Amino acid sequence: DIQMTQSPSSLSASVGDRVTITCRASQGISSYLAWFQQKPGKAPRSLIYAASTLQSGVPSKFSGSGSGTEFTLTISSLQPEDFATYYCQQYNSYPLTFGGGTKVEIK
Amino acid sequence: EAQLVESGGGLVQPGGSLRLSCAVSGFTLSDHYMEWVRQAPGKGLEWVVRSRNKANSYTTEYAASVKGRFTISRDDSKNTFFLQMNSLNTEDTAVYYCVKTTTGNHFDYWGQGTLVTVSS
Repeated sequence: DIQMTQSPSSLSASVGDRVTITCRASQGISSYLAWFQQKPGKAPRSLIYAASTLQSGVPSKFSGSGSGTEFTLTISSLQPEDFATYYCQQYNSYPLTFGGGTKVEIK
Repeated sequence: EAQLVESGGGLVQPGGSLRLSCAVSGFTLSDHYMEWVRQAPGKGLEWVVRSRNKANSYTTEYAASVKGRFTISRDDSKNTFFLQMNSLNTEDTAVYYCVKTTTGNHFDYWGQGTLVTVSS
């Protein structure tokens, strides 16, 4: 199985900050990497697929990069609605696997 | 826009069975892969099962943790997707989400989830 490791597991940031979350795969997954946002008590929301392509309707403050084994999700200017937990997921091979999540909290 | 609505969750005893349903609208079910993903209380996301589309003969993939106990099915004529769960144990306690997958093999739309609690 491909292990997905996110760092940090949590972070505190202020409104307006630039935030970067890293996701590492235990083996190469090309660009078969997605990012999801989840707010407490809510279903996940799909943000990015193919490592860097925004889902329809996702604001451009979100961006993704990387390929192979190392990927990043960046939020260019954190807003109150962005405080949530973020997950990466590989869909290169079965079983599909998720990272452990990064909780973005208000400083 | 696609909509997915899960139902069928509830409290079940260890060793019991439960059938979850996912009613979909806004897209043609037979054209798409569909997934179930679960989330144990306070934990992260875990992929459970994939059902490929009609063009790929509805073939399936299961996570090792549920293989042989869970079975996926669909009724395209009723726009409904199912998860039959047998031999449930406490580790299966989770919110179960149905998820639509794009033709590019990535997830796009999620249902709101249904809670399954396995407890005596």
